[in-house]
Amino acid sequence: SQTIHQWPATLVQPVGSPLSLECTVEGTSNPNLYWYRQAAGRGLQLLFYSVGIGQISSEVPQNLSASRPQDRQFILSSKKLLLSDSGFYLCAWSVLTSGRNEQFFGPGTRLTVL
Amino acid sequence: GENVEQHPSTLSVQEGDSAVIKCTYSDSASNYFPWYKQELGKGPQLIIDIRSNVGEKKDQRIAVTLNKTAKHFSLHITETQPEDSAVYFCAATNLNTGGFKTIFGAGTRLFVKA
Repeated sequence: SQTIHQWPATLVQPVGSPLSLECTVEGTSNPNLYWYRQAAGRGLQLLFYSVGIGQISSEVPQNLSASRPQDRQFILSSKKLLLSDSGFYLCAWSVLTSGRNEQFFGPGTRLTVL
Repeated sequence: GENVEQHPSTLSVQEGDSAVIKCTYSDSASNYFPWYKQELGKGPQLIIDIRSNVGEKKDQRIAVTLNKTAKHFSLHITETQPEDSAVYFCAATNLNTGGFKTIFGAGTRLFVKA
């Protein structure tokens, strides 16, 4: 069966510090991978998606970046965190099948920037 | 840009009553409409989905209806139970372009009172 891992679960970082969040998927090949941010009481905002190794599409201009160094590894990074980067970050994967595109979400990382 | 509006933001019902959550989408090219349930501290999980060539879909106590002309779709939960308490998100995407850009509503927090 497929599983998705995210770490760390929680993170408190000072403004201006770097960020690296990692997501890995097991049990599937060539998945579509996604990074979302969920602000408190808000919906899910798509940040990046990837359809293959090294292929990253950015949806929202920001100081974050994403990389996909391996087929089932997706990394979210920042060189200098802003207060506004605080939120709940979710990684997800999907495989487009006929008629549906179910996304499977990881447990999330709660980031607090102070 | 594309937008999905979701109402209400909070819904409180008595156990056994029905709950209805409504969404409106803006992109007429959207053809896939999933609904996700998010429990506290976890990632969202798909509970039901519908394609644009179907007007209604039912799965036990959960049903979704779609009005393509009005660009409205709704989630109906009957005989609600305390374990239905969670945040529900509607979403819309276009599978013809890969389904990567899924636009989520802001979410509805459902409370089921025992």
